[in-house]
Amino acid sequence: ETVLTQSPGTLSLSPGERVTLSCRASQTVSATYLAWYQLKPGQAPRLLIFGASSRAPGVPDRFSGSGSGTDFTLTISRLEPEDCAVYYCQQHGSPPYTFGQGTKLEIK
Amino acid sequence: QVQLVQSGAEVKKPGASVKVSCKASGYTFTTYGFSWVRQAPGQGLEWMGWISAYNGDTHYAQNLQARVTLTTDTSTTTASMELRSLRSDDTAIYYCARLVRGVGFDIWGQGTMVTVSS
Repeated sequence: ETVLTQSPGTLSLSPGERVTLSCRASQTVSATYLAWYQLKPGQAPRLLIFGASSRAPGVPDRFSGSGSGTDFTLTISRLEPEDCAVYYCQQHGSPPYTFGQGTKLEIK
Repeated sequence: QVQLVQSGAEVKKPGASVKVSCKASGYTFTTYGFSWVRQAPGQGLEWMGWISAYNGDTHYAQNLQARVTLTTDTSTTTASMELRSLRSDDTAIYYCARLVRGVGFDIWGQGTMVTVSS
C-alpha cells in the first residue's frame, strides 16, 4: 500500500499570499495517477489537479501542481477567501487508491 | 450533464446493514468504474473500494473487505455499496465517485450520511 503524507497539517494565511502544499509518497507514484482534491464543509470533494500538473475543467489558473516520483506539490499562487478548504492528494495507480491525511487551509 | 445522484440519509442500529445507491446519468455507464469513499466526522477521506461498471471486477480496502460489497446494475445505471455489521465508527458521509483512468475521481455524488446509533 502506498502511504501519502501531507504537510503541513494546517495553514493560516492571508488573501493574496502564495501557498505550497506537500504530498510525499512512501513509494514511487507515476505522475499520471496523482491527483489533488478540494473539500469544503457541506460539499462533495472536487477534483482540482490530475496527472500531477493538469488542472481539471473550471479550476482557476491560480492552482497548479508539480512533482514526480515520491514528492508532489500543490501551489495556490494568490489566495482567495473561497480557497478555505481541506486539500487532499491521492494516488489512483494501483489499489488501494489511498488519500493523504489532508492539509487544512484557513484564510485570515 | 454528467452526474451521480445518491440515495438519502440512513440511520441504523449497530449490527445492521446499509445499502447506498448511486444513480449515474449523462454518459455511457459501462465506460468507467466507481469508487466509494467515506469521511467520518472530523476525519479525512477514506477509500473503501472500486468496481468496474464494465465487468464487475472489484478491489476493496483491506480493513473493510469482510463487510463491504460493491455492485453495479447496467439496466438502471446504478452503483451500490452495502456495508454489513455496522458499528458506531461507520458513522460517516459516504460518497460514490467516477474513476477515469489517468484522471482520477472526476465526478462525485452528493454524499449520503449514514448514522449508526443504538
